[in-house]
Amino acid sequence: AQSVTQLGSHVSVSEGALVLLRCNYSSSVPPYLFWYVQYPNQGLQLLLKYTTGATLVKGINGFEAEFKKSETSFHLTKPSAHMSDAAEYFCAVILKGQFSGGYNKLIFGAGTRLAVHP
Amino acid sequence: NAGVTQTPKFRILKIGQSMTLQCTQDMNHNYMYWYRQDPGMGLKLIYYSVGAGITDKGEVPNGYNVSRSTTEDFPLRLELAAPSQTSVYFCASSYSGTGVGDTQYFGPGTRLTVL
Repeated sequence: AQSVTQLGSHVSVSEGALVLLRCNYSSSVPPYLFWYVQYPNQGLQLLLKYTTGATLVKGINGFEAEFKKSETSFHLTKPSAHMSDAAEYFCAVILKGQFSGGYNKLIFGAGTRLAVHP
Repeated sequence: NAGVTQTPKFRILKIGQSMTLQCTQDMNHNYMYWYRQDPGMGLKLIYYSVGAGITDKGEVPNGYNVSRSTTEDFPLRLELAAPSQTSVYFCASSYSGTGVGDTQYFGPGTRLTVL
C-alpha cells in the first residue's frame, strides 16, 4: 500500500533554531510531493510542492524541501524558526499517472505539530 | 476571490440528527472534495466531484451524501449523526484532478461534535 510517513507527531524548537520536519513516502514511482501548513483554527495552506525539475523546492515563509529519490524522502526545513511558524504541517503525495476514479488521489501523512518556544 | 468558504464553523449535533455542511468556491474549479480530519490521522477523503452532476465515493463515505448541482457548491449531508462522525471537515477544490501536481485549495473547516 502506498503511504506517507511523518516522523514525529510533535516537534519543539527554540526561536531562531533550525526547523526539520521529516516525510518519507513509499512508492516505486516518485510521486508529486506537497507540504501543507495548518495554523490554529484555519484550513490547510500550500507551503510548497515538487513535481519535476530541481529537487530543492522553495516555498512561502522561508521554508524549503528537498526531494531525495534514493531516500524516498521530502523533508521540510527552515533555517531559523519564528514564533509564527507554530502550526501543524502535513506532507502529502500524488501518485503519478495513477488515477483513482478519474482524479489524482492526494494521500496525507498524519501531520507534525510544530511548537516554537522563546 | 474568497477562495473556498465553509459554513458553519462549529456545530454540535445530537445522535440521530441530520445536517448539511456547506461549501462554496469562487475559483471556477471543476474538482471539489470533502475530507475529514481526525486527531493523529491526517485527512481522509469522504467524497469528491469532477464536475457539476458528477460525484463519487472516497475512502470513508459511509454515513454521508453529497450533491453537485453547480460548479460552485458542493454540500455534504450527514444523515442520522453518530459519535463516530465527530471530526473536523474540510472542503477543497482544484482546477483539474489530473493535472501535473494539481494543487488543492482548502476551506477553513467545520468542527462538528456529535453527542
